[in-house]
Amino acid sequence: QSALTQPASVSGSPGQSITISCSGTSSDVGGNNYVSWYQQHPGKAPQLMIYEVTNRPSGVSHRFSGSKSGNTASLTISGLQVEDEADYYCSSYTSGSTFVFGGGTKLTVL
Amino acid sequence: QVQLQESGPGLVKPSETLSLTCTVSGGSVSSGSYYWSWIRQPPGKGLEWIGYVYYTGSTKYNPSLKSRVTISVDTSKNQFSLKLSSATAADTAVYYCAREFTRSPDYWGQGILVTVSS
Repeated sequence: QSALTQPASVSGSPGQSITISCSGTSSDVGGNNYVSWYQQHPGKAPQLMIYEVTNRPSGVSHRFSGSKSGNTASLTISGLQVEDEADYYCSSYTSGSTFVFGGGTKLTVL
Repeated sequence: QVQLQESGPGLVKPSETLSLTCTVSGGSVSSGSYYWSWIRQPPGKGLEWIGYVYYTGSTKYNPSLKSRVTISVDTSKNQFSLKLSSATAADTAVYYCAREFTRSPDYWGQGILVTVSS
């Protein structure tokens, strides 16, 4: 299984919105609704931000939203804040009942 | 609130077996609602899913690691474990254990750095 494709980096200014893409295949992203997104600050464990494409766990800000079209999923962060600066990873369940992660995207808040 | 804690040697010699244990508190590995996963992250790199175990002992592994990986569960100790044989420098990483719910690792341990070096 190959890693999902994410942009290496994105940036935005406080208050702006940004979108991070996650491209896969019909065997993973496009084949089910089990796409998740994680935020990871340096030296910390990843934190689940979105599950099942669009759902937010309790406690996660409404500024974070997820969507999917075909084999590509997206994470949108609106009203960027300085504390949103982190690495973001997508993951997907696969047709082989395994998981695959994206390569990660570094978000810089300018 | 469920908590997970990894434990094990921080240094493993090449060709030896890397062994880690995850202790779960605030929840039960015997719950049929969850799977229990291992995920790793080499220094400065991205996340890699290793595999998961169900309370029955049923497992699923990353195809790229399948020949070297064994994940098991001990319901009496509320723990699950990872064994990775024939370790090499490429296995140097922070290893995380996590609970999987609705096909998403939702609670993670803090991670443990394992270095493979002589």
